[in-house]
Amino acid sequence: LAKTTQPISMDSYEGQEVNITCSHNNIATNDYITWYQQFPSQGPRFIIQGYKTKVTNEVASLFIPADRKSSTLSLPRVSLSDTAVYYCLVAQGVYNFNKFYFGSGTKLNVKP
Amino acid sequence: EAQVTQNPRYLITVTGKKLTVTCSQNMNHEYMSWYRQDPGLGLRQIYYSMNVEVTDKGDVPEGYKVSRKEKRNFPLILESPSPNQTSLYFCASSSPGQTSTGELFFGEGSRLTVL
Repeated sequence: LAKTTQPISMDSYEGQEVNITCSHNNIATNDYITWYQQFPSQGPRFIIQGYKTKVTNEVASLFIPADRKSSTLSLPRVSLSDTAVYYCLVAQGVYNFNKFYFGSGTKLNVKP
Repeated sequence: EAQVTQNPRYLITVTGKKLTVTCSQNMNHEYMSWYRQDPGLGLRQIYYSMNVEVTDKGDVPEGYKVSRKEKRNFPLILESPSPNQTSLYFCASSSPGQTSTGELFFGEGSRLTVL
């Protein structure tokens, strides 16, 4: 079962681009990669999802290399309000889609 | 507004006193699940339900029960709470297509303290 590894914490400054990398070495063929954002005392919120290559939406970009053993969440020009915990999740595709492993997440601290 | 609603949001109780945390979603989702969140351990799945009357254990089911008698509701039951069940609990739901890709909708959380 694919489990994920992320840095425990990261610091950044307002206006910078932030890249958070997640390792998922034993990802399976049918697995999707999903990222969530969580603010204190709130439930996680879906940010972006991908299967391979690059995905971009109004909030972030997700880069997935060809071997899919890692993924990078890119947040352009962060602000103080982006201070949160970010979780990488590997969803076990169609065959076992009830098992989700969130890991410990990356606490991003954006400074003024 | 599409949402997952949990109650209570905060609860302090004593060891052994049965309690139920309710979860309700208004999105007609088939899939619902419960997680607990503890410092340094991230989110761990307790139980999940694929549909009405279909439930299964997640990674940390000990000490918990669930039921799924209606599609919209998925209560979490602690028959005899113990201090190690002090945690922040989240309920989540999704539709089949979203579940297979990992897109879950979470409630706001229920902070439980067992003395």
